[in-house]
Amino acid sequence: SQQGEEDPQALSIQEGENATMNCSYKTSINNLQWYRQNSGRGLVHLILIRSNEREKHSGRLRVTLDTSKKSSSLLITASRAADTASYFCATDPPGGDSNYQLIWGAGTKLIIKP
Amino acid sequence: EAGVAQSPRYKIIEKRQSVAFWCNPISGHATLYWYQQILGQGPKLLIQFQNNGVVDDSQLPKDRFSAERLKGVDSTLKIQPAKLEDSAVYLCASSQDSGYEQYFGPGTRLTVT
Repeated sequence: SQQGEEDPQALSIQEGENATMNCSYKTSINNLQWYRQNSGRGLVHLILIRSNEREKHSGRLRVTLDTSKKSSSLLITASRAADTASYFCATDPPGGDSNYQLIWGAGTKLIIKP
Repeated sequence: EAGVAQSPRYKIIEKRQSVAFWCNPISGHATLYWYQQILGQGPKLLIQFQNNGVVDDSQLPKDRFSAERLKGVDSTLKIQPAKLEDSAVYLCASSQDSGYEQYFGPGTRLTVT
């Protein structure tokens, strides 16, 4: 079943602008992960943020997590054409056992216009 | 570091035929995953292995899909017989352990006609 829901479904911006994508989820989590998928490099892990963290940075990426609102956002600053891709959030709900099945959203399709 | 390898990259078969996909994970990764991704959707977990044992196969259609992980390394996923709705990209991923970031292979695009 789908836990994460990305918003918007699609986003088109000019190169150099910032892009913000949101993810909402339904149950409590151990961590939340963001992935990028494009035709050239397939699915690539971007950032993992744990439930006790509020913000995390990696290069031009900034992820925030608000567990009270069950939501996360991914900000890409100074976007580039190479950022054109689909972005997925995946949540790892606490299971109390060894099963760490990630629950994936349907993704946000980001297009960077030159 | 070598990534996750998958083969074949593309496969076209007729319905009711069988097909097998192969995956070689990153060396030393204990956890291996098979996902099905239908166009426009996020990946759906089919089966998760921890070393050579199955952790979760709750979404694997066991009447037609089977998977094994040999000696806790390579894995194969088989569909027999295939249906039209099995047309999708099949992704293999591995991680150091459960709960860690996953590394994905390039996927196999399956078309069932």
